[in-house]
Amino acid sequence: RKEVEQDPGPFNVPEGATVAFNCTYSNSASQSFFWYRQDCRKEPKLLMSVYSSGNEDGRFTAQLNRASQYISLLIRDSKLSDSATYLCVVGLDNYGQNFVFGPGTRLSVLP
Amino acid sequence: GAVVSQHPSWVICKSGTSVKIECRSLDFQATTMFWYRQFPKQSLMLMATSNEGSKATYEQGVEKDKFLINHASLTLSTLTVTSAHPEDSSFYICSADKQSTGELFFGEGSRLTVL
Repeated sequence: RKEVEQDPGPFNVPEGATVAFNCTYSNSASQSFFWYRQDCRKEPKLLMSVYSSGNEDGRFTAQLNRASQYISLLIRDSKLSDSATYLCVVGLDNYGQNFVFGPGTRLSVLP
Repeated sequence: GAVVSQHPSWVICKSGTSVKIECRSLDFQATTMFWYRQFPKQSLMLMATSNEGSKATYEQGVEKDKFLINHASLTLSTLTVTSAHPEDSSFYICSADKQSTGELFFGEGSRLTVL
């Protein structure tokens, strides 16, 4: 089983739709969790960190479920500009030494 | 936000030559930097973890003599692809760990094409 798994998609949704992605991780000792966004042929950019209590940033909501070992990303009112690949990243310790990347989920928001 | 600069963005070289890619954290100190490569439509694959002042730790299957990593200061790490071959053509990305937040910040990436 891979350490971090994501549905690669693509998810094709119309503008204005709500879309959710899940990411599962295998190491129960994982300490930190992030969602990154990567546009085609560009570097990943941090979208948001994921906290135990869940967190929201505008149209984006991230949640962590430690019991089931997954994190989720919810995007409301999708925009065309949200089209990208969303990478789930799991930190295995608190020292910044071990990050594992999921394969990414590709989202296409259609007009 | 933190800024990581990577240079060059694009490089085309002949087979057999060496290419150096620089990764700089511009507004924070990075004890640890990471180097990845990414093939089209695939996720990032960690190549090595670079710690300032010490030897890099390479992932399994990555040739340390081919991909030389130097992390001489808290703001600069370099990756040198030695004797490059066409199969080394890829997108190379660095990242730096901002220890105060535990977040990774990425360079813009370097697209290497070996002819």
